[in-house]
Amino acid sequence: DAKTTQPPSMDCAEGRAANLPCNHSTISGNEYVYWYRQIHSQGPQYIIHGLKNNETNEMASLIITEDRKSSTLILPHATLRDTAVYYCINSNNNNDMRFGAGTRLTVKP
Amino acid sequence: NAGVMQNPRHLVRRRGQEARLRCSPMKGHSHVYWYRQLPEEGLKFMVYLQKENIIDESGMPKERFSAEFPKEGPSILRIQQVVRGDSAAYFCASSEANYGYTFGSGTRLTVV
Repeated sequence: DAKTTQPPSMDCAEGRAANLPCNHSTISGNEYVYWYRQIHSQGPQYIIHGLKNNETNEMASLIITEDRKSSTLILPHATLRDTAVYYCINSNNNNDMRFGAGTRLTVKP
Repeated sequence: NAGVMQNPRHLVRRRGQEARLRCSPMKGHSHVYWYRQLPEEGLKFMVYLQKENIIDESGMPKERFSAEFPKEGPSILRIQQVVRGDSAAYFCASSEANYGYTFGSGTRLTVV
């Protein structure tokens, strides 16, 4: 079962930043924070992951709090194609990805 | 460099038949994972395999379901004597150490 907590749904206006929160208060020291998304009926897509430091790639930024009990995925300029379910996962070895219910992000024009 | 290939994309079986779902991992990946997604629900882990070995099958139903990842060829998820409750999307992912999973497009199984 998932060890993270996410809001079930969020809305975001097109062109604005989407900030998706995740609580992982029981994360252990060697567990990474991974984010995936699933666009309707497709296979999940890897977005980003991090351990302690903030991370950025071409898709998103990941902000991890200093105590590592929570994180935020940031899509800087959301588009309609970013509408999806976003999953936050803690895993220490890349071989134990347990998906929760995720956050259903709806980007509106 | 093809991604994770799953086939068939859609599979229809009558109750009591067998379903075989195939997954070819990304080139160079030796870890394979199977997940099941019921309609309107999240992904549920089923099984994790490395070449010729089952590492973790804690999410697999004890009966009718089996998985293998032979030395040569794709990983196979086999469901015997299918029932209507087996209707779902089955996703396969592959990885190599310390990188995120790459998922296939899934097989949608419908039991009629």
